[in-house]
Amino acid sequence: KAGVTQTPRYLIKTRGQQVTLSCSPISGHRSVSWYQQTPGQGLQFLFEYFSETQRNKGNFPGRFSGRQFSNSRSEMNVSTLELGDSALYLCASSSGLAGGGNEQFFGPGTRLTVL
Amino acid sequence: QKEVEQNSGPLSVPEGAIASLNCTYSDRGSQSFFWYRQYSGKSPELIMFIYSNGDKEDGRFTAQLNKASQYVSLLIRDSQPSDSATYLCAVTPEPYKYIFGTGTRLKVLA
Repeated sequence: KAGVTQTPRYLIKTRGQQVTLSCSPISGHRSVSWYQQTPGQGLQFLFEYFSETQRNKGNFPGRFSGRQFSNSRSEMNVSTLELGDSALYLCASSSGLAGGGNEQFFGPGTRLTVL
Repeated sequence: QKEVEQNSGPLSVPEGAIASLNCTYSDRGSQSFFWYRQYSGKSPELIMFIYSNGDKEDGRFTAQLNKASQYVSLLIRDSQPSDSATYLCAVTPEPYKYIFGTGTRLKVLA
């Protein structure tokens, strides 16, 4: 089975711009979660999608948004970029079955640099 | 208090020894617990998950869960230099929400 894929792998943007990141989960997985990883804060949960519905989210400002398509692919958007948004953005896929504690498998990440 | 706490390390152990990594969590209602390994410059990879109190073994790895003490640990037997990485503990305090600790850096000395 192919793993989780994320595009693009690297991005450089300037403050005030917006960015869209994409994630394709493992075939058959219907849940996609997004994380921001920085050296200071570690891995922080952004949100989780299942069957095109956001089921949970973390404590990030509204500039961070996401969506999921009917084929389970997901996109994350960050508007009005700030320097502090520079990070590795990871997505993780899981079966998303009831119970809420399924094993997640991570993609390679998108490295975002905001200048 | 952070939701998931880990000692940042580094934890140094000699090759062949047992490495013991610990994690405490604050939400008593947490149901699922995961250990991930992350090499520098790579994304996290799942090592083990545990849902019930007690021990779960998989090869050289053993996860231990004590819900009363809100404590989960990972033991790595016969540690190898290739085990040198950052180990992340993750907990689900509510459905579909995964909270990670900041990780413990393990160094296995040859």
